[in-house]
Amino acid sequence: DVKVTQSSRYLVKRTGEKVFLECVQDMDHENMFWYRQDPGLGLRLIYFSYDVKMKEKGDIPEGYSVSREKKERFSLILESASTNQTSMYLCASAGPGENTEAFFGQGTRLTVV
Amino acid sequence: DQQVKQNSPSLSVQEGRISILNCDYTNSMFDYFLWYKKYPAEGPTFLISISSIKDKNEDGRFTVFLNKSAKHLSLHIVPSQPGDSAVYFCAASPNFGNEKLTFGTGTRLTIIP
Repeated sequence: DVKVTQSSRYLVKRTGEKVFLECVQDMDHENMFWYRQDPGLGLRLIYFSYDVKMKEKGDIPEGYSVSREKKERFSLILESASTNQTSMYLCASAGPGENTEAFFGQGTRLTVV
Repeated sequence: DQQVKQNSPSLSVQEGRISILNCDYTNSMFDYFLWYKKYPAEGPTFLISISSIKDKNEDGRFTVFLNKSAKHLSLHIVPSQPGDSAVYFCAASPNFGNEKLTFGTGTRLTIIP
């Protein structure tokens, strides 16, 4: 079974803090993604990566950055946390092949106070 | 600009009956569509997908129909079971399911015993 593990289930951070959300997958997948889920808005893509050291902006990258130094690990960084970044953050990975799908981690519920 | 729309935020269905969840999209570049199911405090799990070269894909109790001319897809669950109660997200990709996805806002399905 594919396993995508996010480092924390719940996090509470203060406004202005630098926040790191870690994601590790164990299936040697090339593609990794960070989404956030908000009520009434569905899942929105923040950043994605199709290879080590490669990163691309998604639909809502403002206030975020990412790091992919190793194939299995994709980190999301909130440079200076703000209350509007309170959300559920979901990491996903996907392997090669036309008819494959993305597998998601369990999510990190981040609250910025 | 919501490119993938799920216009019904919630749906209640009697156990044993058919559940029909709908999804519309506006971007004609989308070629691959997926349905994910999400329980509270968990990550989404993949349910079923369909390529634009098909108009139907079936997997057990789940069938997805695609009407490309209407830019509409639907997920049929029959018979509905209590464990199907969850939020269902429709997602679309310009190419394949392992690439970046655009999600709808979700439909909360409640199965009434």
